[in-house]
Amino acid sequence: DAKTTQPTSMDCAEGRAANLPCNHSTISGNEYVYWYRQIHSQGPQYIIHGLKNNETNEMASLIITEDRKSSTLILPHATLRDTAVYYCIVRPPNRGGATNKLIFGTGTLLAVQP
Amino acid sequence: NAGVMQNPRHLVRRRGQEARLRCSPMKGHSHVYWYRQLPEEGLKFMVYLQKENIIDESGMPKERFSAEFPKEGPSILRIQQVVRGDSAAYFCASSPGTARDTQYFGPGTRLTVL
Repeated sequence: DAKTTQPTSMDCAEGRAANLPCNHSTISGNEYVYWYRQIHSQGPQYIIHGLKNNETNEMASLIITEDRKSSTLILPHATLRDTAVYYCIVRPPNRGGATNKLIFGTGTLLAVQP
Repeated sequence: NAGVMQNPRHLVRRRGQEARLRCSPMKGHSHVYWYRQLPEEGLKFMVYLQKENIIDESGMPKERFSAEFPKEGPSILRIQQVVRGDSAAYFCASSPGTARDTQYFGPGTRLTVL
């Protein structure tokens, strides 16, 4: 079972920031928070991941609370092409074993409106 | 810098035939994962392989499904005697096997069983 909970769906106006929340209250100290998205049946696309500190890359920012029990993915200027299902996943660091698999929940369907 | 390659992109088989799905990981990646997405369902982990080794096959159906990742060449997911319930999108991901491991997904193979 997925160790995260996300809202089923969200709307966002084009050009505005999209803030997608994720709860992971049972996260362990060494587990990373990963975000992927899937645009209409395409392969999942990696967005960003973090451990404790906030992270930013060319696609998004990841804000992790101090207690690490929740996080928020921020798309600063959403476009229509950002409409997708967004998955928040927690996973321990790779030690070459069976814990490497990604467990996908149901994710959040983000609909960017024109 | 080519991403994960999967072929064929679409595959049609009749019940009882065999399906072979191929995955070429990103350059420098030695870890391969297979996931399945049934119609209107989420992504489910199937198997995790390193070169010539199966590390975790906890998500593989017990019968008819097998996977390999030979020393040379792509990873192969093989489904024998396909049934209609095998119709799905099969995604391959690869990773470099570092501690902060990130899996990158291919475009998927859509299998249709008639």
